This record gives sequence, C-alpha cells and structure tokens, in this order.
Amino acid sequence: EEQLVESGGGLVRPGGSLTLSCAASGFIFTNYEMNWVRQAPGKGLEWVSYISPSSGSMYYAESVKGRFTISRDNAKNSLFLQISSLRVEDTAVYYCAREVYYHGSETGMDVWGQGTMVTVSS
Amino acid sequence: QSVLTQPPSATGTPGQRVSMSCSGGFSNIGSNLVNWYQHLPGAAPKLLIYSNNQRPSGVPDRFSGSKSGTSASLAISGLQPEDEADYYCAAWDDSLKGQLFGGGTKLTVL
Repeated sequence: EEQLVESGGGLVRPGGSLTLSCAASGFIFTNYEMNWVRQAPGKGLEWVSYISPSSGSMYYAESVKGRFTISRDNAKNSLFLQISSLRVEDTAVYYCAREVYYHGSETGMDVWGQGTMVTVSS
Repeated sequence: QSVLTQPPSATGTPGQRVSMSCSGGFSNIGSNLVNWYQHLPGAAPKLLIYSNNQRPSGVPDRFSGSKSGTSASLAISGLQPEDEADYYCAAWDDSLKGQLFGGGTKLTVL
C-alpha cells in the first residue's frame, strides 16, 4: 500500500523551530515530486512547499519563504520540512503529499499523509 | 483572501446535482490546469479531478470538472450523504511560482 506518514509536530513557542518528517512506503519515492500542504484551524488548505525528485528544484509559498526549508533523503524514503522563526499563524496540520504525473504536464497530489499538528503558542 | 475564489458553502439533497465554482486569473487558472480535492473531516484530502476534467482511477463518474477561461467548476450528480465534505480547487500560479488552493466550498447534504 502506498503510504505517507508525517511526524515531528508539537507545541513550540513563537520564534522557535521544528523539523517535520514524512516517511514514504509502498512506492519508489525517488521517482516522485513531493509537497507540503497545511491547514490552519478552521481554515482551508494552503500549499507550503515543493521539491523535485533530485532536490534540484524547490518552491515555497510567499508566507513561509526564508523561514521554511524543504529537503528529502531518497535513500531513506523521507521528506522533511525545517520550520523556523515560527509565528502563531503557522499553527496548522501539516500534510505531505505525493505529486503524480498522468500525462505530460497533467499532475495531481494523489497520496497524502494523515498530517502532523504544529501549534505555535507562548 | 485566496487568489482562487470559491463560494464558502453549497447545499443539496440526496440525488440532486450541485455545482461549485472556482474563479482565478490569467496567471493561474487561465494558464494552467485545475485540480479538485475532496476533504472529509478527520481524513486526508483526496484528489478528485485532475487536468480540469479527468478523474483518477476509483473516482465515480458522478464527479465532473470543467474549465473556461479563468474559471473552473466542479459538478456532483446523484448527490449522496457521504459527499458532504469540503471541496478545494487548485492550480499552479506562474507569477507566484507556487501552487494555489481556493478557499474551499463546504458542501452540506440535507
């Protein structure tokens, strides 16, 4: 079964740091682009970051640029998100999601984890 | 405020057909493909429609998508109680160089 499992969430003070992990299984991780998506309490989904299979390309939402760093370890089938200078508004469930290509440029996030909660509070 | 605008809510009764819209701009919907995601409470989001109108394997044909210019829409026919969920449109934005999600439409099945 293709699966993603996030971990690393928790309670952190404003200005603090945290590293989220996403363990992939059931598919060839190194073949896929990956994303982080978050959902703040009572809010909608917000795309956070993207990384290409070889880590050659990375993109970030404006709201996290300069504070979050996405990375991956293909040998360990793992995706990471280092989050720093945390703000109260970063409080959210963070999901990792696999990007699949159907034909040409037709893509979608087809496998999602269950999410890990990050709470930023003093 | 999301760059992709969706109505906050929609309502239907079992068996009915409902549709929901997603309005964007030239740099996102106008230039790129649109995906739709279904998000049930407590569950992981699910890819419902990709490439404007394509259904991944396993998604019932009751779900259909379309796009015209800078707007897209999702239609659900033969509404079922288990369709009650939040629905999000998504598209890449060439100016922002990032994926955008709409604010989401909460579908209630009465």
